[in-house]
Amino acid sequence: DQQVKQNSPSLSVQEGRISILNCDYTNSMFDYFLWYKKYPAEGPTFLISISSIKDKNEDGRFTVFLNKSAKHLSLHIVPSQPGDSAVYFCAAKGASGGSYIPTFGRGTSLIVHP
Amino acid sequence: DSGVTQTPKHLITATGQRVTLRCSPRSGDLSVYWYQQSLDQGLQFLIQYYNGEERAKGNILERFSAQQFPDLHSELNLSSLELGDSALYFCASSVDGTGYNEQFFGPGTRLTVL
Repeated sequence: DQQVKQNSPSLSVQEGRISILNCDYTNSMFDYFLWYKKYPAEGPTFLISISSIKDKNEDGRFTVFLNKSAKHLSLHIVPSQPGDSAVYFCAAKGASGGSYIPTFGRGTSLIVHP
Repeated sequence: DSGVTQTPKHLITATGQRVTLRCSPRSGDLSVYWYQQSLDQGLQFLIQYYNGEERAKGNILERFSAQQFPDLHSELNLSSLELGDSALYFCASSVDGTGYNEQFFGPGTRLTVL
């Protein structure tokens, strides 16, 4: 039972355009959401996060939007650059059994073409 | 470079064997997390240690075990290996055990079971 779903395994975008990566979740107890970026042969690195009390968080070219009623979040990258080509993991946290461990989606592979 | 080191980078072994994966957390971090990423799967949380004690348990098989030593490095032991255990194994560390602080991931160990 996947509690965090990234339904698009891959996304291809032209340099300079917007990249939109989507993520859906099912657990209403999740109250904090994160995006990680992963390059080949490296571990995931934290990119941006959002608390459930907000609906938008922006950091430079990266913006995360949260729609709690739809249990949906998205990551927007504007403008997209070839160096953004990586796998992006959506993750969600919620207090469960005393732990606050993120639950990860399967990832979306983003390719930005020059 | 996240500051988290994992050895070995690659491991090839046969079914039924036992292997040990090693992780050294970032300097100052007291908590270590282990994750498994199988083909086309997200990162599945296995187990967390904080300052030498088991803190949280995820989808860890009984054939797998872990420990954290006084110098805070951690080892993940995988025994009676099966083909399905082939995966990337990531270690992450954080400053405390609450889960509220950022996790920093190592580059992973790729395990291939033949």
